This record gives sequence, C-alpha cells and structure tokens, in this order.
Amino acid sequence: DAGVIQSPRHEVTEMGQEVTLRCKPISGHDYLFWYRQTMMRGLELLIYFNNNVPIDDSGMPEDRFSAKMPNASFSTLKIQPSEPRDSAVYFCASSRPGQGDTEAFFGQGTRLTVV
Amino acid sequence: AQSVTQLGSHVSVSEGALVLLRCNYSSSVPPYLFWYVQYPNQGLQLLLKYTSAATLVKGINGFEAEFKKSETSFHLTKPSAHMSDAAEYFCAVTDYSSASKIIFGSGTRLSIRP
Repeated sequence: DAGVIQSPRHEVTEMGQEVTLRCKPISGHDYLFWYRQTMMRGLELLIYFNNNVPIDDSGMPEDRFSAKMPNASFSTLKIQPSEPRDSAVYFCASSRPGQGDTEAFFGQGTRLTVV
Repeated sequence: AQSVTQLGSHVSVSEGALVLLRCNYSSSVPPYLFWYVQYPNQGLQLLLKYTSAATLVKGINGFEAEFKKSETSFHLTKPSAHMSDAAEYFCAVTDYSSASKIIFGSGTRLSIRP
C-alpha cells in the first residue's frame, strides 16, 4: 500500500478564501484522524472517524472548520473562510485497531499558509 | 481523560551518548503507548509501541522504551546517539475503551552534538 496520501502538500491562500484538504487513508483502515500541528499548540486532534462516521469533533476549533468522509477511501477537511491563524501543517492519519494496527499511520501533511 | 506529558521540550546530547526522552501518561484504563519520530518537513513515523505484552519494547533505529505502571512512565532510550537521530519525538497514548483516539504529547526536540 502507498500509505496515507494527502493533497495538496502545500497550499497558500488569501484570507477569506475556502480551503479544502484531502486525504486517502490506507486501504482497510477503519479509523481516520485529522490533526493540526503548530509551534504554539503542538499536535492537536481535530476530529476522527470510524467507518466513515464522525466520532469526536471536539477538537475542531470553530464552525469555520468542517470535515467529511463520504466513503472509506476519502476524507476532506474544509476551512471556510480561512484566516491567517489557520496557518499550520495538517496531518491525516489512519488505523485499524481491530486488526492489531493500533497505531496511527500518518500522511506527509499539508502545509497551509493563509496570507 | 487520557494525556501524556513529555518532560523537556529540547534535549541535547553528544554523539555516542545515552539518549533519554521522558514521557509520563495519565489513563484510567490500561493504555496503549507509542513513540513517534518526525524529521523536518515529514509526517510522523512510528518508532515503537506498547500494547500490554512485554514491558520492554524495542523499536526501530536502536530505540527502546520501558512501560512502568507504578511510575506511569514510558521513557524512550537509546544507548548511543547518532547524528541521524536529530529530530522531534512524540509520545502518544490511547486506551482500549476508546479504541483509537490517540492523544499526543507536546514533543521533544533532540539535538546531537558532534
């Protein structure tokens, strides 16, 4: 398997624009996570899904953030409208604890810059 | 609620010296514990994991960690540091009940002096 695939790797956008980050988890993994990494706040769990259903979105910072998982092989994280303080690296990760893969496998991340 | 605390945001050791990165966890149920490494501009890579089998866990690149329930600790060690070990290291925890909500510590940056 190619691992967790995120796109784009880098995104630069203007304040107020909509941003969509994409993630393809490892095939067969039933958990998907979105994390945000910043110098100030470290690695924060934003939301996670089990079998395409959102389980816990308590880490989503505000209503401007939304995440979907329409099927087992695709998820999106959307920010609308974007603000400079959203600049961060966003990671997607997947796991399958029921089959022994208790750890999260991470993608390479999307570096978002909002100017 | 689960949490992990990493003591020391930055650790610097000489090449060839012992590496010790500290992690303490909090969990009301038996935990799974992980150490990840992150190199610049890359994602996180699993070094090792504890899943209630042996308390001394060996990982990649010569790292190992020991689960100590009495101390609620899961410290990461390597007998002899290499320049290539310079990176950010994260301790993480999940538990059996929540199955997979993985919470990370704040990270420790490891620097290696020549």
